Amino acid sequence: AQSVTQPDIHITVSEGASLELRCNYSYGATPYLFWYVQSPGQGLQLLLKYFSGDTLVQGIKGFEAEFKRSQSSFNLRKPSVHWSDAAEYFCAVGARDDKIIFGKGTRLHILP
Amino acid sequence: DAGITQSPRHKVTETGTPVTLRCHQTENHRYMYWYRQDPGHGLRLIHYSYGVKDTDKGEVSDGYSVSRSKTEDFLLTLESATSSQTSVYFCATTGRNNEKLFFGSGTQLSVL
Repeated sequence: AQSVTQPDIHITVSEGASLELRCNYSYGATPYLFWYVQSPGQGLQLLLKYFSGDTLVQGIKGFEAEFKRSQSSFNLRKPSVHWSDAAEYFCAVGARDDKIIFGKGTRLHILP
Repeated sequence: DAGITQSPRHKVTETGTPVTLRCHQTENHRYMYWYRQDPGHGLRLIHYSYGVKDTDKGEVSDGYSVSRSKTEDFLLTLESATSSQTSVYFCATTGRNNEKLFFGSGTQLSVL
């Protein structure tokens, strides 16, 4: 069965520092992988997605993620965070003809 | 975004009563999903549909049923609501290749 693990429930970083949010997945075939962001009281916004091809994926708001098949990981990175990046981040796994499952999320806190 | 309307937006009900939440989409999307969002649990898949009258269980389907008699409508029914079903419910759809989730605005359900 497919599953997603986000090991960090909360992460705190200083504004301007780099960020990496971890995501590990379990899926029997080549997965579709997604990162979504949810600001307080808001809906979910797609940051980026991976289906195939280049394993380094660029997204919106300066985020990127790297698919590593050997590690079953799809970690999200940003070189320099802004206070507006404070939100909850969700990793998800699916496929062309399969359901999409989310992880439990990582809440990002930004120190001024 | 993708013409998804959830109704009602808010509902308060009593334990033991049946409740039906409606999701309506205007984009003729094939896949439709019902998720619930709870603090510390992220988004958990309840049921999903990959076509008219084609539905399947998700991660937390006990106590819920769904129906999809038309492409545009996906109904979620709580047969006998319990307090543990107090949550925010999100409907989502994806296009033909399941490449991006479009979310509704959510339904806040409180079971007293």
